[in-house]
Order: sequence, then C-alpha cells, then structure tokens
Amino acid sequence: DQQVKQNSPSLSVQEGRISILNCDYTNSMFDYFLWYKKYPAEGPTFLISISSIKDKNEDGRFTVFLNKSAKHLSLHIVPSQPGDSAVYFCAAREYSGGGADGLTFGKGTHLIIQP
Amino acid sequence: ETGVTQSPTHLIKTRGQQVTLRCSSQSGHNTVSWYQQALGQGPQFIFQYYREEENGRGNFPPRFSGLQFPNYSSELNVNALELDDSALYLCASSIGTQPNEQYFGPGTRLTVT
Repeated sequence: DQQVKQNSPSLSVQEGRISILNCDYTNSMFDYFLWYKKYPAEGPTFLISISSIKDKNEDGRFTVFLNKSAKHLSLHIVPSQPGDSAVYFCAAREYSGGGADGLTFGKGTHLIIQP
Repeated sequence: ETGVTQSPTHLIKTRGQQVTLRCSSQSGHNTVSWYQQALGQGPQFIFQYYREEENGRGNFPPRFSGLQFPNYSSELNVNALELDDSALYLCASSIGTQPNEQYFGPGTRLTVT
C-alpha cells in the first residue's frame, strides 16, 4: 500500500514556463513533507520542505503548496530551466514520538525541460 | 564541509553471499539512515542509527543489519543475499532522530546474480 503517490512518471515542460509536480498521500499522521531532486548516478538532493502547519513555502524559483484536507501537495518551479531536468521525489515524515520511521518516498516524476 | 560518502560504488554478489556497504556521514551529523531504492521505485527506509544504536526500522527482515561507529560512520550488512536485493542502497545523514532534512550520499549499486 503506497502512502505517498506521484501519479505522473514523467512531465515535459518548455524552458521558461512553470513546472508543476504533484503528490498525494494517504497517511494523515504525516507531519512534514519534502521534495528531493535526483540526477543520474547521484543521491537525492534536498530541495524544499513544508511543515503540516503551513500551506505554502517558497524558496527562490521553488514553491511547495500543501492542501491537508485533500492530502495533496505540489511543487511549482518557475521559470523552469534546463538544469531542472531530473527525477523529483516527494517524501513525507511521520512523527512517531520515539524511534524514527524514516522518510516515505513516492516513486518519483521525471521532469524534462525542453529548450 | 565534507558531504556523505559511500563505498563501494558498485558491487556484484552471488545469491546466498553476504555483503557490507559503508557510509561516512556529513561532518557534524550524528544520525545515519539507510534506504533501498529498487529500479523504478522511490527509496524505501531500512533503518536508522543514532548514537551507535538502531533507532527505527522499516519493513525489512533481520538479515539486514547495521552498525554505527563512534565517528558516526555506518555499515549496512545483508546476509543470505537474494536476487530481489539488487538495488541502489542509499545512506543519508542528519542531525537528531527526527530530522527535517536528510542528506544523501551517491549510493552503492548492488547486483545479485
């Protein structure tokens, strides 16, 4: 049972336009959400995060939106640049109050920025 | 500041063998988490080590075990390798047991034949 779902395996966007990557989750105990970016032959790189008490977080060209009632978050990249071409993972953390449960990841969306 | 490093980069093993993967955490980080990423999937949490003790575990059998050393580096050991263990193994370091961000190494690609 996948608790974090990224339903678009790939997304193609023209350079300069907005890229919107979507993520849905089922576990209402998740309290923190993160986006990671991964290039081939490298580990995931942290991009941006948002706490469940907020609905928006912005960092330069990257903005993450959280809709708790819909259990949905999205990552907006504007304007999109060629270097943004990568696989983007949505991840979530469940606060357990004791031991760590690690991050739960989606399967990723391959973003392709076309010139 | 040194990032997270992992060794070896690639490894080929035969079914039934044992393997040890190594990870050096980022400077100042005291927590190490291990993830398995199968082809076409997102990383899946194996376990986390904090202050040299296992602090949390995902849905992996006991033949997956680990160690953390006083310098916060870590090892992942897998016994009785199975074909399905073929994957990219990622190590992530962080500060504390409920980190907001984890910093990943480049991974070790394990192939079991």
